Amino acid sequence: AQSVTQPDIHITVSEGASLELRCNYSYGATPYLFWYVQSPGQGLQLLLKYFSGDTLVQGIKGFEAEFKRSQSSFNLRKPSVHWSDAAEYFCAVGARGSTLGRLYFGRGTQLTVWP
Amino acid sequence: DGGITQSPKYLFRKEGQNVTLSCEQNLNHDAMYWYRQDPGQGLRLIYYSQIVNDFQKGDIAEGYSVSREKKESFPLTVTSAQKNPTAFYLCASKRGTSETYEQYFGPGTRLTVT
Repeated sequence: AQSVTQPDIHITVSEGASLELRCNYSYGATPYLFWYVQSPGQGLQLLLKYFSGDTLVQGIKGFEAEFKRSQSSFNLRKPSVHWSDAAEYFCAVGARGSTLGRLYFGRGTQLTVWP
Repeated sequence: DGGITQSPKYLFRKEGQNVTLSCEQNLNHDAMYWYRQDPGQGLRLIYYSQIVNDFQKGDIAEGYSVSREKKESFPLTVTSAQKNPTAFYLCASKRGTSETYEQYFGPGTRLTVT
């Protein structure tokens, strides 16, 4: 079965610093990969997704993620963090060939941004 | 504007009462999902539906029930059998059954049972 691990429960960075949030997945083939962001008390918003092709994908709000098959990872990065990026971030994996369309989510990484 | 509506945003119930959470979408999406979110637990799938009048159990369906009588509506009932119902509940929808389509999320309902 698919599973997603986000090793960092909480990360704190200073505004303007670079950011990398880690995501590792367990799946027998190349999965579909997603990063979502959640502001407090809100729903989730899609930041970016990877299906195939270029392993470096660009998303909204200046985020990017790199798929590394050899490491089973899909880490999220941003070169310069803004205070408004403070939120919880979720990595998710979907199975190729599945007609059920379900996603498996990691436990999330809470990002705090210091001014 | 197209989107997903969940109501109410906050819901309070006494233990032993059933409660129904509303989820409506006007995106014309085929698939709909219910997740439960607890602090540090991520999102756990309760039920999902690919088409009207059909739904499947997710990972934590015990104590919950759903219906899908209309394409745009997927209400979730939290029954008295759910041992720990206090949580944040998120509804999502997806355009079709293809795994390449993204899920769109509603704003959530926070349920507190005392």
